[in-house]
Order: sequence, then C-alpha cells, then structure tokens
Amino acid sequence: DGGITQSPKYLFRKEGQNVTLSCEQNLNHDAMYWYRQDPGQGLRLIYYSQIVNDFQKGDIAEGYSVSREKKESFPLTVTSAQKNPTAFYLCASSFNRASREQYFGPGTRLTVT
Amino acid sequence: GENVEQHPSTLSVQEGDSAVIKCTYSDSASNYFPWYKQELGKGPQLIIDIRSNVGEKKDQRIAVTLNKTAKHFSLHITETQPEDSAVYFCAPDLKKSSGDKLTFGTGTRLAVRP
Repeated sequence: DGGITQSPKYLFRKEGQNVTLSCEQNLNHDAMYWYRQDPGQGLRLIYYSQIVNDFQKGDIAEGYSVSREKKESFPLTVTSAQKNPTAFYLCASSFNRASREQYFGPGTRLTVT
Repeated sequence: GENVEQHPSTLSVQEGDSAVIKCTYSDSASNYFPWYKQELGKGPQLIIDIRSNVGEKKDQRIAVTLNKTAKHFSLHITETQPEDSAVYFCAPDLKKSSGDKLTFGTGTRLAVRP
C-alpha cells in the first residue's frame, strides 16, 4: 500500500527529554511537512522540506528540529526547549512544493508530563 | 488560522439534509482552495479542492464554490449521512514572504443525526 506512516501513534515523555517522531512515505513525493494540532484548533506548520537535504522553518519552528537525509523520511525532534510540547503531530507530503495537494499520515499524539 | 475564518464552528443536521460550511480568507492572490475532512484520532483527508480559474466543482455529494471577489469559498454536502460526521477544515494557500503555504481554518465540527 502506498501512503504515509507515522509511529508511534501515542508517545509519552517526561519533561526535559528530547523525543523524535517518525514519518515515512512511499509515494515518491518530494515535499514533506510537519504540523502541530492543538484541541479545537487548526493545523500549524512547524517545518517543511521541498527536497532531500533541504528544509525550512514554518510558523512555529521554535523548540523543534528536523532532518531530511532520505526522500522517504522526515523525522521531527521535539526538544526540551519546546515550552508546550503536548499536542497531536501530523506529517504530510505532496508531489512537490508547487502541487499544493497534501496527503496526511495518521498522526502521533505526544504527551509530556 | 491566520487570516482564515471558518463558519460555523459546529453544525448539526438531520440525516439527508444539506450542510454548508464557509471559509473566508484575506489574501486576494490565493489561487488554491482545498477542503479536508478529519475523523476522530486520524489525519486530515483531502476531499475536494478548487483552483481560482474555476467557480464551482462537484464530486458526487460534495461540492465547493468559490467567490474570488468576496474572498470566500464554501463546502456543500448534500444528502448527508452519519459517516459524514467529522471535523472539516478549509486551507487556502496564502502568499507569504517565505512562499505559498496552506493556512488552515479552525475547523467545523459536523454532526449528522440519524
């Protein structure tokens, strides 16, 4: 099956620990995105990558980091500097940056206590 | 979302009735207007989109209409079914100095009563 996978579905961490969320796609898409979703709100863009070895900050990049070493993979690290990390994190991909249509993974719910 | 307003925030309809959700945006240069459906605990799914050279697009029971002059577009669902119950988001592309980005509205929770 072609698609986007995110793992794990639920993740629990203690405050002060870094945590890495996985995102993999086998759609042969060039562009990948990370969004954060808080209860009752829309999605906010954290980081995006248009091509391997390149990525740009989105609207709320502070406290997060990413890498794009492979076309299929775009992991997101939530660092201890992120003041309010508990949220639902969504990864998406599109054929390329210009194509606009984004396809989302199932999400990872991160809880930090 | 920034410069994107979505109304209503909640909508309850009887099965078989129609539902309409409106999205207003601020950027007159926007040219891509999608609607996403998000079921509980899942990622959003693109259900229909329209580009600025078209005024209306239909796909079975769902349609999107665009009024570029007034800067709003709407999602229309006819003959609603219980499986249409979900949160719907509009996400027009807004032109920013860092490039075009989809900007999501705050969502409309649709409940279809059987």
